[in-house]
Amino acid sequence: NAGVTQTPKFRVLKTGQSMTLLCAQDMNHEYMYWYRQDPGMGLRLIHYSVGEGTTAKGEVPDGYNVSRLKKQNFLLGLESAAPSQTSVYFCASTGSRANNVLTFGAGSRLTVL
Amino acid sequence: AQRVTQPEKLLSVFKGAPVELKCNYSYSGSPELFWYVQYSRQRLQLLLRHISRESIKGFTADLNKGETSFHLKKPFAQEEDSAMYYCALSGYYGQNFVFGPGTRLSVLP
Repeated sequence: NAGVTQTPKFRVLKTGQSMTLLCAQDMNHEYMYWYRQDPGMGLRLIHYSVGEGTTAKGEVPDGYNVSRLKKQNFLLGLESAAPSQTSVYFCASTGSRANNVLTFGAGSRLTVL
Repeated sequence: AQRVTQPEKLLSVFKGAPVELKCNYSYSGSPELFWYVQYSRQRLQLLLRHISRESIKGFTADLNKGETSFHLKKPFAQEEDSAMYYCALSGYYGQNFVFGPGTRLSVLP
């Protein structure tokens, strides 16, 4: 049981390049989330999904897009990376309203030059 | 608006001393409150949640609705408690978790 898996773990991009972060969970969780972690800012919600085929904006959605075509996968895309998107990105999931505890991935460190 | 504040960025205590990490929140309704912890080179993980009323690794936290606080306490800190601690809240349906900025706890020998 792998839990929540994020790929890649590290990536360096140049300004303007695009990339996709993949989050996969094998716990049959309904809810999935993408956060970014910056020093002194804590974790800020980028986008989230409450089920397959649905997504919603979080606190800091600008510059990011997401898709949840399959229940187990939640993709975070950067169409045109900017240095302000240099951060550590965390994916998390939770199973239901009754089981309201987040399971986190290991994180993806992205540097935009 | 939903908001979680943690006034201390860094808290240093000596081993065996009591520790209290402060957390205040604002939320229009009855949120669920959590403490998550991130040890060095490990994933964020749940430490405790207010509805379970448990003591985990000697830590406790009491929800004070009047003061809108959820402070984390431990009577005798251990070196292995050194980590980043995040207070978080969730609405009833768990569709959005809001995190505070975090407090780095350093327990000195």
